[in-house]
This record gives sequence, C-alpha cells and structure tokens, in this order.
Amino acid sequence: QKEVEQNSGPLSVPEGAIASLNCTYSDRGSQSFFWYRQYSGKSPELIMFIYSNGDKEDGRFTAQLNKASQYVSLLIRDSQPSDSATYLCAVKISRIQGAQKLVFGQGTRLTINP
Amino acid sequence: DVKVTQSSRYLVKRTGEKVFLECVQDMDHENMFWYRQDPGLGLRLIYFSYDVKMKEKGDIPEGYSVSREKKERFSLILESASTNQTSMYLCASSNGNGQPQHFGDGTRLSIL
Repeated sequence: QKEVEQNSGPLSVPEGAIASLNCTYSDRGSQSFFWYRQYSGKSPELIMFIYSNGDKEDGRFTAQLNKASQYVSLLIRDSQPSDSATYLCAVKISRIQGAQKLVFGQGTRLTINP
Repeated sequence: DVKVTQSSRYLVKRTGEKVFLECVQDMDHENMFWYRQDPGLGLRLIYFSYDVKMKEKGDIPEGYSVSREKKERFSLILESASTNQTSMYLCASSNGNGQPQHFGDGTRLSIL
C-alpha cells in the first residue's frame, strides 16, 4: 500500500461546476497535509494546507480533512479552465525519521471543460 | 513571499560529466530538498538537508551527492552524469517540522 494515494485521473469537470479531488494516506499519526497545483512543465505551487479535522476555506478552494478515515480532499468551486492542472497531495508522515520530509501522491490530472 | 531560485532552467550535459545544480532560498529556511520528477513516477526525493553541512539520503540518492556550506544554498551534484539522469530537478525549502515546502522553478536536465 502506498503511503499517499491519489486517483491519477484524468478528472474532467465542466466549467462552473465543483471539482472534488481526493487523497488517502496510510499513517494514522500524520499531522500536516498540503495541496499543490502543478501546471504542465512548471513546478508545484502550494495552494492549501490543513492541520486540523474539518474544513478550511480559501477563496474558491476548500480543504477537508478526516483523520479518522485517513483522507484529505480538495474542493474547487466555480471551476475555471485555468484550474486545469495536476494536483498533488502531500502528507507529513509521522513515522518517517527525518521529520521534515513530506510524502507526495502521484497527483490527479484535472481538466476543466469550457 | 518565499523565493527559491534554481540556477538554470534548462541544461544539456554529456555522459560522464560532473554536473552541478544550484539552489538558493531567501527566507532563512532550515530545510532544503532536491527532487526529481519523471512522467509516471511522480516526485522522488533525492537528498535533503536540515541544517548547514547536514544531509540525509532520500529515496533515490544513488549517483548523486549534495553540499550545503551556507544556509541559503543547497547544491546537487551528479558525479558522473548518465542518460538515466535526464529529468526535471526541483529544489524546495521549508521552515520547521511539518511546514509546507516551497519549490523553485525547476531545472530540466538532459544528458546526451
């Protein structure tokens, strides 16, 4: 089992709809969770982070964390074509020595259709 | 805003050459990281450093070494470049434990 898993997609969503991206992780003790957006040929860009159970909203983005079920989600409301990118989930895995390391999922490719 | 600067955006080198990739951050971050990213393989950690002169191996350190002589600068060295090291190389930095990592623009390295 991978430590951080994402559906690779592609996930296709019509413009204006809600895009829902999911990520599961294996280490129940994980504390910190991050979402990055990566456009083709570019480097990952941090868009959200969440540390506590529940929802965290920032503009059109909402991160949802459920530690009991070991998943973290990213919702994008009013999806725009400019949201088309690969979204990477990253988790601070507690059991890994070298406390600064994050484990990245493979990423979900999202396409917003006009 | 955090600024992580990688010395080259594109680089072409020959097999057997010693290659240096440089990364500088301007936020006094403790931690710095080198990743490579390949299609279908995702981000893979090569080495990271949590302090000056300190380094730890990541998941794929073979064929690479690193140097961190100053807090703001982290260098990745390909001792003898091979074609299977053709990749996108990404540098990142972070502050503290469990904090987000911020990435540079990446270096697309081709080994011929």
